[in-house]
Amino acid sequence: QSALTQPASVSGSPGQSITISCTGTSSDVGGYNYVSWYQQHPGKAPKLMIYEVSNRPSGVSNRFSGSKSGNTASLTISGLQAEDEADYYCSSYTSNSTLVFGTGTNVTVL
Amino acid sequence: QITLKESGPTLVKPTQTLTLTCTFSGFSLSTAGVGVGWIRQPPGKALEWLALIYWSDDKRYSPSLKSRLTITKDTSENQVVLTMTSVDPVDTATYYCAHTRLFTTSYAFDIWGQGTMVTVSS
Repeated sequence: QSALTQPASVSGSPGQSITISCTGTSSDVGGYNYVSWYQQHPGKAPKLMIYEVSNRPSGVSNRFSGSKSGNTASLTISGLQAEDEADYYCSSYTSNSTLVFGTGTNVTVL
Repeated sequence: QITLKESGPTLVKPTQTLTLTCTFSGFSLSTAGVGVGWIRQPPGKALEWLALIYWSDDKRYSPSLKSRLTITKDTSENQVVLTMTSVDPVDTATYYCAHTRLFTTSYAFDIWGQGTMVTVSS
């Protein structure tokens, strides 16, 4: 299975909104509502931000939201803050009953 | 409070077998729906999912690494062990274990260990 495709980098100014895409196939992203998103700061373990396409775990800011259309999932960060600068990874369940991660996106707050 | 911690060798020679242990607390791998997965990240690169084991002993592996991986659990010791055979320098990475639970955060890892760095070199 191939890694899901994400843009290498996305940037925005404080207060703006940005969207990170995650493109797969009908065998993963498009076939199941099991897309999750993780935030990773340098040298730290990933942190779950979104699960099942659009659900936020307890404690995650409502500035983070997820959606999906066809084979592409998206993570939107609204009201961008300096602390949001990190790497972001999507993940999806697949038709092989396995999991696959995305290629990762580096978010820069200008 | 759920915690997980990875342990194992920091340096392994090429062709050897790597054995990593995930020791956890705050949950039981005998509870329905609970699973523990392994994920790795080579330096400066993306996350890669490796394997997952559920309370039922159902096991799932990355198709590209399936022939080299074995995941097992010891419920009484609260541990999950991942073995990887025939390691190569490309297996150099930080290895993470993480918790998941079906019907709550299905197929997402909500709690992660701190990771353990493994270098494969002669």
